[in-house]
Amino acid sequence: AQSVSQHNHHVILSEAASLELGCNYSYGGTVNLFWYVQYPGQHLQLLLKYFSGDPLVKGIKGFEAEFIKSKFSFNLRKPSVQWSDTAEYFCAVTSSGNTGKLIFGQGTTLQVKP
Amino acid sequence: EPEVTQTPSHQVTQMGQEVILRCVPISNHLYFYWYRQILGQKVEFLVSFYNNEISEKSEIFDDQFSVERPDGSNFTLKIRSTKLEDSAMYFCASNPTTSTDTQYFGPGTRLTVL
Repeated sequence: AQSVSQHNHHVILSEAASLELGCNYSYGGTVNLFWYVQYPGQHLQLLLKYFSGDPLVKGIKGFEAEFIKSKFSFNLRKPSVQWSDTAEYFCAVTSSGNTGKLIFGQGTTLQVKP
Repeated sequence: EPEVTQTPSHQVTQMGQEVILRCVPISNHLYFYWYRQILGQKVEFLVSFYNNEISEKSEIFDDQFSVERPDGSNFTLKIRSTKLEDSAMYFCASNPTTSTDTQYFGPGTRLTVL
């Protein structure tokens, strides 16, 4: 069965620090990969996605993620975080040809200190 | 920008009662989903719906659950006889084209079963 694992449950950073959140998935076939963000009191919003092509994808608000197929990973990065990046981050995967069911990781809470 | 909306934002009910959670997906979307997140746990897939029928459901989605798209705009999740363990945040999502494209999430309904 497909599964998604996020290594960091709670990350605390100071403003301007660099961020990397780990995400690994288990599935042998073709996958589509997503990072969603949930700001306090708001709904899940798409940060970025990977379907095919360049494995380095850029999203909104300066975030990027790299798909490394050999490692089954899709880590999220940002060179310099801001206080407004405080949120919960979810990695998710869906496989091509299925009904669109998203499998989520357990989420990472990012707290950025001003 | 069009958004997925959900009502109510918070529903409190007694164990054994029926609840209906409502969602209005984005108007030209074709695929619809329900997910739930029990406090402190992962976002879990419940059901996907396309062309007026369920396309996939999870093990959680037992006979107590049902979904409907009664009027071409609303998408509802009914829990026939609620249990304490149904307490969770329920998210509706929709996507416009292929089943594996980006899903747009609503703000969620927090269901509390007493």
